[in-house]
Amino acid sequence: ETGVTQTPRHLVMGMTNKKSLKCEQHLGHNAMYWYKQSAKKPLELMFVYSLEERVENNSVPSRFSPECPNSSHLFLHLHTLQPEDSALYLCASSLNFRDTDTQYFGPGTRLTVL
Amino acid sequence: QKEVEQNSGPLSVPEGAIASLNCTYSDRGSQSFFWYRQYSGKSPELIMFIYSNGDKEDGRFTAQLNKASQYVSLLIRDSQPSDSATYLCAVTGDSGYSTLTFGKGTMLLVSP
Repeated sequence: ETGVTQTPRHLVMGMTNKKSLKCEQHLGHNAMYWYKQSAKKPLELMFVYSLEERVENNSVPSRFSPECPNSSHLFLHLHTLQPEDSALYLCASSLNFRDTDTQYFGPGTRLTVL
Repeated sequence: QKEVEQNSGPLSVPEGAIASLNCTYSDRGSQSFFWYRQYSGKSPELIMFIYSNGDKEDGRFTAQLNKASQYVSLLIRDSQPSDSATYLCAVTGDSGYSTLTFGKGTMLLVSP
């Protein structure tokens, strides 16, 4: 596998379920990101991890819980979601967390909350 | 609230023409600017980045930055039907960190 991978690619869950999204990067990067992309809205940054430490949390509801066990893996744990949380969730990574570092995106997980 | 504005389009151009995509941003301290291309149902992929005022060329693509006007553009020369996609403008702040604010994107349609 190369680049940034995400699993699962599609997920349908009920509002009472608990699920996790997984992201893995094979680029040797030190920063990883979670974004949400909803229809008709710009990409929204959710969380940033730099060297496995959370450095950004953009007022995301607590029903979304990130985890970064090492610099190659990033998880987004989901529980008691709402239908409006249905969206494409994108993971990205960059060499470091500097503004000149390009972010590379994974293929995304299409989440549907029933 | 940092904002990045793009015309949603669609911008329709014939094959072989120049497509011009524009973006304005609100944070005067923004330092780095990125253009991503996103095909329908796919994730964004980097086209170009630019940090300094002026033009930057890469193949058929030219990025133009004017920090005084808070304006960044992407020109696509010799447009191809395969260029049909949504183009996202992304801007960092003045913190020195890679915290991107994205525009909603401009849909480009290149007709054969």
